[in-house]
Amino acid sequence: AQRVTQPEKLLSVFKGAPVELKCNYSYSGSPELFWYVQYSRQRLQLLLRHISRESIKGFTADLNKGETSFHLKKPFAQEEDSAMYYCALMSLWGNAGNMLTFGGGTRLMVKP
Amino acid sequence: NAGVTQTPKFRILKIGQSMTLQCTQDMNHNYMYWYRQDPGMGLKLIYYSVGAGITDKGEVPNGYNVSRSTTEDFPLRLELAAPSQTSVYFCASIGQGNEQYFGPGTRLTVT
Repeated sequence: AQRVTQPEKLLSVFKGAPVELKCNYSYSGSPELFWYVQYSRQRLQLLLRHISRESIKGFTADLNKGETSFHLKKPFAQEEDSAMYYCALMSLWGNAGNMLTFGGGTRLMVKP
Repeated sequence: NAGVTQTPKFRILKIGQSMTLQCTQDMNHNYMYWYRQDPGMGLKLIYYSVGAGITDKGEVPNGYNVSRSTTEDFPLRLELAAPSQTSVYFCASIGQGNEQYFGPGTRLTVT
């Protein structure tokens, strides 16, 4: 069965410091991985996906199949980055359809 | 587009009561999902639907039911509310590139 682990529940950094939110996964197939973000009082929204290899709001994430990781990084944190971040793995579920398996989330707090 | 909308935003139920959480999307997506989010536990899939008239169980379906009579609507029914169902419920649909679009959530408390 697939599993996504985010080992840190809370990550606190100062503005301008580098940020790395860790995500490890276990999955027997070829993984499709995502990062979702939830700002205060807002809905979850897609931040980035590994297949597009894009950078959103200065965040990047590289899939490392050897280490089964998909860590989210940003070189210089901003206060507006404070939010809950969820790593998610897409897999097949049941007879059809795709399902996202979420990690437990990491709360990022960026202090001024 | 309004995207994915959910009602109500908040609800308090007594043990044994029933209620329906409403979810609507206007993006003509076939795939829709219901998740629950418990503190520190991430989101878990309750039920999903691959199109009108087709639904199936997710990881944690016990105590819930769904229906999908139209492409737009995917209501979630709690028949006999229990304290273990206190959670935040998110509805989602899936679009191009497997991106899931989430509703704003319904915060349910069962006492």
